[in-house]
Amino acid sequence: GAVVSQHPSWVICKSGTSVKIECRSLDFQATTMFWYRQFPKQSLMLMATSNEGSKATYEQGVEKDKFLINHASLTLSTLTVTSAHPEDSSFYICSAHDVGRGETGELFFGEGSRLTVL
Amino acid sequence: GQNIDQPTEMTATEGAIVQINCTYQTSGFNGLFWYQQHAGEAPTFLSYNVLDGLEEKGRFSSFLSRSKGYSYLLLKELQMKDSASYLCAGYDSNYQLIWGAGTKLIIKP
Repeated sequence: GAVVSQHPSWVICKSGTSVKIECRSLDFQATTMFWYRQFPKQSLMLMATSNEGSKATYEQGVEKDKFLINHASLTLSTLTVTSAHPEDSSFYICSAHDVGRGETGELFFGEGSRLTVL
Repeated sequence: GQNIDQPTEMTATEGAIVQINCTYQTSGFNGLFWYQQHAGEAPTFLSYNVLDGLEEKGRFSSFLSRSKGYSYLLLKELQMKDSASYLCAGYDSNYQLIWGAGTKLIIKP
């Protein structure tokens, strides 16, 4: 299957600092990538849809000025958590469709990034 | 509103069979997914059903009934490594993915 790589896997930062998470499609081009957040024992929550060359689409309740998304190329989307606070500690996961393969719409997920804000 | 319902937790015995049910209410429907997620890891794709019926993939099978808004994931010959959360997700008419809360499956020896 297609591969999506996410980096870093783990990050610990101090409150008030910013953290950038990268999501790369390694063997396909992704015009659209999705960013999810998952709190312990809960399901995935879609934060935003990242669109290559245009602004991201944020879900209701997600602060776009706090969670900055940049999709500068067909293989890279970044999520920056600005001025992180302990309540932002979570598991952040990106995903993408490999529409070029004519697949069923299966989502390929990155490995996830666990953010801990002290 | 749109909704995906699945049991919160299920327990089964190693070697047995377990069926995880999922009911959905979406604005339009363009298919239903099942994903497996081990603790601390990202989800992995198991199946995608868009037509009614049963699709089998090795020990895992997925069933869909569009008229009933119902799907199930069937796991046979359970192994300890099958202990995970199983996420049901459906596409609405706009191909927006609606996620269920996941079913935590506990396998006992």
